[in-house]
Amino acid sequence: KAGVTQTPRYLIKTRGQQVTLSCSPISGHRSVSWYQQTPGQGLQFLFEYFSETQRNKGNFPGRFSGRQFSNSRSEMNVSTLELGDSALYLCASSLAGNGYTFGSGTRLTVV
Amino acid sequence: EDQVTQSPEALRLQEGESSSLNCSYTVSGLRGLFWYRQDPGKGPEFLFTLYSAGEEKEKERLKATLTKKESFLHITAPKPEDSATYLCALGGNDYKLSFGAGTTVTVRA
Repeated sequence: KAGVTQTPRYLIKTRGQQVTLSCSPISGHRSVSWYQQTPGQGLQFLFEYFSETQRNKGNFPGRFSGRQFSNSRSEMNVSTLELGDSALYLCASSLAGNGYTFGSGTRLTVV
Repeated sequence: EDQVTQSPEALRLQEGESSSLNCSYTVSGLRGLFWYRQDPGKGPEFLFTLYSAGEEKEKERLKATLTKKESFLHITAPKPEDSATYLCALGGNDYKLSFGAGTTVTVRA
């Protein structure tokens, strides 16, 4: 059974650019959530989608956005990148909120 | 707001030296207390979910327990391959996990 797939694995972007990250959940999982991990702040919740609807959003600026498609795949977008956006971005999928499986993450470096 | 505090921040063990990690929490509506293991540069790997006080779960050298205010992850006779960061997270009624800062465990041969 395939796990959660995140692409790309690594990204280097320049300040001011925008970036789109992709997440394919485990087959049958309709909930997809996104987290940002940094050495200083740890793992912080970005947003959660279920059946194309955002059910919750974390305390991040409006530059961070996401969406979910009808096949449950999800994307997150960060516009006007800042140096502080450098982080490991993790996606997790869940069947019913009783177990979250994480992908390997996308390492974003903003220079 | 949900709060999760893990201690200690770091733990250095000799191979075979058993120990425990602590996760203290406050939550308005607990839907699950999750333990994950994370290796450098990788995503968290699911270990356990605990739902109610008194519940215990085991997997190889790991055993997780839950009370109304804290959870413990016991590592029995650890091996070097148990070296990782162990993360505790709360699942509430708001479709998200609230993570602690983690405990980094190093097991020396």
